[in-house]
Amino acid sequence: QLQLEESGPGLVKPSETLSLSCFVSNDPNGRETHYWGWIRQPPGKGLEWIGTSRSSGSTTYNPSLKSRVTISLDMPTNRFSLTLNSVTAADTAVYYCARHFEWFGDPQHFDSWGQGTLVTVSS
Amino acid sequence: DIVMTQSPLSLPVAPGEPASISCRASQNLLHRTGHYSLHWYLQKPGQSPQLVIYLGLNRARGVPDRFSASASGTDFTLEISRVEAEDVGVYYCMQTLQAVTFGPGTKVDIK
Repeated sequence: QLQLEESGPGLVKPSETLSLSCFVSNDPNGRETHYWGWIRQPPGKGLEWIGTSRSSGSTTYNPSLKSRVTISLDMPTNRFSLTLNSVTAADTAVYYCARHFEWFGDPQHFDSWGQGTLVTVSS
Repeated sequence: DIVMTQSPLSLPVAPGEPASISCRASQNLLHRTGHYSLHWYLQKPGQSPQLVIYLGLNRARGVPDRFSASASGTDFTLEISRVEAEDVGVYYCMQTLQAVTFGPGTKVDIK
């Protein structure tokens, strides 16, 4: 069964860069086929899509975050990463990585999620 | 941007009773394959979201058949025929026709 696990610092200072990694296991055939994405959830609030990427180089970002975010794939090591620049307290959230299932060339549903990691932005 | 709305935002349900959640998109979500780019998730307390319904109508693996969905243009419904205690949590709809946007969520709890 596909598994994803997020890792990275739990505390980031304002104006600095948030960097998270997601390790993918038990997915021998999907890494080149499917897309891979990041979603976040501020405490007590709803879900917000951050961005989605595919090994072919196709990457899309939430327009509200696009100027600050980068998603990179390193499929040979079964990892993909999230970088968010110039963070503020508003970026405090649980960050999830997920597989974004490919359907006829388009990313559709997130079918497997990591357990999430809380990142707090505070000095 | 496609905006997603849900109703109700809170839904107390007695065990064994049916429940229905509505989701509306600001644009038609029909994909070129004839399926809808609309999916439903349940986030149980303290857990990651889990897929319930994908492509408008399809139950995800392991989802009980008391869950069903309907889809038409901009209007989507998730139904639970007989609510059980394990069904409590927040239900989100999500569209993937243009980028990705989530609905605000509907909190289902037991009366």
